[in-house]
Amino acid sequence: GENVEQHPSTLSVQEGDSAVIKCTYSDSASNYFPWYKQELGKRPQLIIDIRSNVGEKKDQRIAVTLNKTAKHFSLHITETQPEDSAVYFCAASRANSGYALNFGKGTSLLVTP
Amino acid sequence: GAGVSQTPSNKVTEKGKYVELRCDPISGHTALYWYRQSLGQGPEFLIYFQGTGAADDSGLPNDRFFAVRPEGSVSTLKIQRTERGDSAVYLCASSSQRNTEAFFGQGTRLTVV
Repeated sequence: GENVEQHPSTLSVQEGDSAVIKCTYSDSASNYFPWYKQELGKRPQLIIDIRSNVGEKKDQRIAVTLNKTAKHFSLHITETQPEDSAVYFCAASRANSGYALNFGKGTSLLVTP
Repeated sequence: GAGVSQTPSNKVTEKGKYVELRCDPISGHTALYWYRQSLGQGPEFLIYFQGTGAADDSGLPNDRFFAVRPEGSVSTLKIQRTERGDSAVYLCASSSQRNTEAFFGQGTRLTVV
């Protein structure tokens, strides 16, 4: 089955700095890669996703890059703000499994003012 | 409804008892997923429904776990002979047939004492 590795497990940055979280996956058939943000005690919420037919996607301060050959993808957050503090999860899935998500273990991001 | 609804939000049960957790997906979403999230971990896939049928139940840890979705909408996750190791947050998610984004419910926090 799919194995998704995520690092770092914790990340602390100062407000205004950039944050980068990296994930690798093992199943070359995976073709959908979402990122979820989970605040303490709340549900995971999708912040950005990328499909295997593109290499990069950007939405305001958030961007995701995908390297299919190396089987890794990354989340980039620029100009971080304290409200970006949360746990971020990457995931990978493939269409013929109904897009059932295989999650990484999460990165706890702390943005200090 | 407006989002995925899960009930109860909290459930405390004694070891050996039977529990049922309910998920009410977003109206019209044909795909429904159950995940389990332990403290400090990413959600772990349990089972995926497409309509009424379980398309992939490979994540169910053993035969004490069972899930149904008899009318293709509400789903119930059933756990028999609960064990302390079953304690976790059980998350439900749904997605439409055309859009792979999975929307999560708030989860049910199950505590087995």
